[in-house]
Amino acid sequence: EIVLTQSPGTLSLSPGERATLSCRASQSVSGSYLAWYQQKPGQAPRLLIYGASSRATGIPDRFSGSGSGTDFTLTISRLEPEDFAVYYCQQHGSSPPVTFGGGTKVEI
Amino acid sequence: EVQLVESGGGLVQPGGSLRLSCAASGFTLSSYWMHWVRQAPGKGLVWVSRINHDGSTYYADSVKGRFTISRDNAKNTLYLQMSSLRAEDTAVYYCAREYYEIWEWGQGTLVTVSS
Repeated sequence: EIVLTQSPGTLSLSPGERATLSCRASQSVSGSYLAWYQQKPGQAPRLLIYGASSRATGIPDRFSGSGSGTDFTLTISRLEPEDFAVYYCQQHGSSPPVTFGGGTKVEI
Repeated sequence: EVQLVESGGGLVQPGGSLRLSCAASGFTLSSYWMHWVRQAPGKGLVWVSRINHDGSTYYADSVKGRFTISRDNAKNTLYLQMSSLRAEDTAVYYCAREYYEIWEWGQGTLVTVSS
């Protein structure tokens, strides 16, 4: 099973600042089946990035993903008020099982 | 437009059973890999089960032998039959469609296991 470790656990920033979130895998993630999700309270996860670096439909270009192998990064270039949420990484290339990181909370 | 709508959640006693449904629209469910993922209150996302387009099924170790994933092609609906429920199964349960690298999710249904 591939374990995904996200850091930091909490990121305290202000609107307009840059956010850099990390996701490290215990083994290489197959075919870059690495995704990032945003989740707000009471809502389902929202797909932001798939294939490590491709933005999902309707996602603003301030969100970008990068990385390969075992190290991946989600960058939010300039935080908007609506970006304060919890972010999860997910791998589904070596499944079952699909695994998720523990999440990073981006707070004001 | 792809839509996934979960239902069937509720309060159930420990040791009890519950069947969750996920009604799909906008696509033919049997042509895709479909998943159940859960999220305990205040916790992260945990994969539960998958059914492939060929009907093969897979489960997390924590639910193996207690949960069964299935689908009704005529109703275009995915199911999760849950039995021998435990307090630690309390969570919001989401169904999701996997299409190559893209996952699309329903809004979830809450299952509470408590006496």
